[in-house]
Amino acid sequence: DADVTQTPRNRITKTGKRIMLECSQTKGHDRMYWYRQDPGLGLRLIYYSFDVKDINKGEISDGYSVSRQAQAKFSLSLESAIPNQTALYFCATSVRTGELFFGEGSRLTVL
Amino acid sequence: AQSVTQLDSQVPVFEEAPVELRCNYSSSVSVYLFWYVQYPNQGLQLLLKYLSGSTLVESINGFEAEFNKSQTSFHLRKPSVHISDTAEYFCAVSDRGTGGFKTIFGAGTRLFVKA
Repeated sequence: DADVTQTPRNRITKTGKRIMLECSQTKGHDRMYWYRQDPGLGLRLIYYSFDVKDINKGEISDGYSVSRQAQAKFSLSLESAIPNQTALYFCATSVRTGELFFGEGSRLTVL
Repeated sequence: AQSVTQLDSQVPVFEEAPVELRCNYSSSVSVYLFWYVQYPNQGLQLLLKYLSGSTLVESINGFEAEFNKSQTSFHLRKPSVHISDTAEYFCAVSDRGTGGFKTIFGAGTRLFVKA
């Protein structure tokens, strides 16, 4: 089984719908992240969390929210999806050197 | 502020030829350096990392990268590529001073290995 698991792997939705992407990890890391990947732009940080009570915005947090339900669970929500949120989303955990451990990604299409 | 520039968006190369994927970074603080690889329809996985010590670091599948502090570069090289090396490669830096949590990625270089 994967150490970092994302669900769903693929989702097609319509503009205005609420979407939640879920992430769970078995690595025992405190630090968890949500990144967005767009072609030609690399990965950009949406939110990060150092523990259950610590949530921080990344460089592109507008239109997104997160919840850290437990040390092992970190979910990303789009309250009202729009087409330019169509992207590949990655959850990751890290150790203190910044080395990241990624899930396999959630491909979201907003029509 | 930190930034990472990967100088080539796509690199086509024939099998068994050498390859270099270039990465330059800008930072006002000390950094950790990473190369990640993304195979089709998969997540990113660590290829190699520079944390401290020897400036030349190697991966288990024949890639190597050299940290050049004066040129602020961390180029990735392999002397002989294989078809299975076809993937997208991302250079990344994280800030030592903040415990490495703030990682910035380059835009990626797509390596195509042709038979």
